[in-house]
Amino acid sequence: DTAVSQTPKYLVTQMGNDKSIKCEQNLGHDTMYWYKQDSKKFLKIMFSYNNKELIINETVPNRFSPKSPDKAHLNLHINSLELGDSAVYFCASSQASGGWNTEAFFGQGTRLTVV
Amino acid sequence: AQSVTQLDSQVPVFEEAPVELRCNYSSSVSVYLFWYVQYPNQGLQLLLKYLSGSTLVKGINGFEAEFNKSQTSFHLRKPSVHISDTAEYFCAVRFPLYNFNKFYFGSGTKLNVKP
Repeated sequence: DTAVSQTPKYLVTQMGNDKSIKCEQNLGHDTMYWYKQDSKKFLKIMFSYNNKELIINETVPNRFSPKSPDKAHLNLHINSLELGDSAVYFCASSQASGGWNTEAFFGQGTRLTVV
Repeated sequence: AQSVTQLDSQVPVFEEAPVELRCNYSSSVSVYLFWYVQYPNQGLQLLLKYLSGSTLVKGINGFEAEFNKSQTSFHLRKPSVHISDTAEYFCAVRFPLYNFNKFYFGSGTKLNVKP
C-alpha cells in the first residue's frame, strides 16, 4: 500500500481552467502539507493542516484553496490557472505530536503543465 | 528567521570516489535534521535523520551524516558513490521549539556521478 498517494500524476490544462489535485495518506499522521517544486527543484511550502485545521498558509495566491475533509485527506484546488502555476506539486504527511515519526513522507508528485 | 543552506547546487564526482554534500542551518536551538533524496520524476525519499543521541547517523544506501552543533551543520557523506546515486539531495530541518509543524528545506544539491 502506498503511504502517501496523490492523483493525478500528470495534469495538462489550459490557462484559465480550474483543477484539483487529491492526496490521501494511510499512515495515521495528524499533519499534511502541500509543497510546490519549481523547475530549479526549489521546494516551497504552501499549506499545512493539522487535524483538519489550517496551520501554515504561506504567501500563496488566493486562487489556491486547500481542503481537508478529514485527517487522511488534503486536496488542492486551483482556480484560473496561469502559466506560472506550472510546477510539480507534492503532498506530504508527518506526525506532529507524540515525538515520533517526525520525518515527512512524500507522495510521488503531480506534474502540472499549464498551456 | 529560520533557514537551511546547501552551499553547492551541483556536485560532480567520479564513480567510486567519496563525496560530501554540505548543509548548514540558521539556529543553534534544538533541531531535528533530515536528508532526502529525489530521483528523477519521483518524490522525496528519506535517507537519514538526526533527532538526538549519537552525532553520527547512518542511513540507507551507504550514506551517513554528522551533526555538528557548534557549526550548525549536518553534512552528508558517502565513502564510495555509484552511478545510481545520481539524484537531487535535500537537507531539511525541523525546529521543535519554534514551529514544530514546519519543515525548512534547503535549495537542493544535484549529485552527478560520472563513470
